[in-house]
Amino acid sequence: ETGVTQSPTHLIKTRGQQVTLRCSSQSGHNTVSWYQQALGQGPQFIFQYYREEENGRGNFPPRFSGLQFPNYSSELNVNALELDDSALYLCASSPGGGFGHTGELFFGEGSRLTVL
Amino acid sequence: AQSVTQLGSHVSVSEGALVLLRCNYSSSVPPYLFWYVQYPNQGLQLLLKYTTGATLVKGINGFEAEFKKSETSFHLTKPSAHMSDAAEYFCAVSDQGSARQLTFGSGTQLTVLP
Repeated sequence: ETGVTQSPTHLIKTRGQQVTLRCSSQSGHNTVSWYQQALGQGPQFIFQYYREEENGRGNFPPRFSGLQFPNYSSELNVNALELDDSALYLCASSPGGGFGHTGELFFGEGSRLTVL
Repeated sequence: AQSVTQLGSHVSVSEGALVLLRCNYSSSVPPYLFWYVQYPNQGLQLLLKYTTGATLVKGINGFEAEFKKSETSFHLTKPSAHMSDAAEYFCAVSDQGSARQLTFGSGTQLTVLP
């Protein structure tokens, strides 16, 4: 069983640029959530996708956007990067909408974004 | 709105000693409660969860937690610390209604001393 995989693992961007992060969900999982983890803090919910539709959003501006594809993989796009966007971006998958039947999210190892 | 408070950003214990990591939550509806562990340069791994039923929950690696509604707490314990337990631990809450997102605490870094 393949777990959640994310790419790239590390990247450096400059302020004002745009970035796309990618996530492949665990086999059989149709729900993908994205979290931002700033240094020294707990993860913060960005949004969730279920069956290719946004299924909940946290307190993030519209320049944070996402997609989910028919194979349930997902992308997180961030436009007009700011220095405070530097963080570890975590993708998590689960079976079914919300937490599905298990009440558990399965996390990838994250993409570490540095904005200079 | 939900929130989680983890008391103590850093906790040190000796190998073999009791581990106690504190978590208090705020939720206006019955909560789902979780503890996750994060090792360096890795994602989060679920240790244990409380959804409904028994309030004492056992997880992986010998950890357990007790849901105390009257105290709005979900403290994590392990009777005997092992060096491999050194990591960052996050408590998280979600409401049973939407179950769409987790609200995490700020984390507790556990150091195990030889």
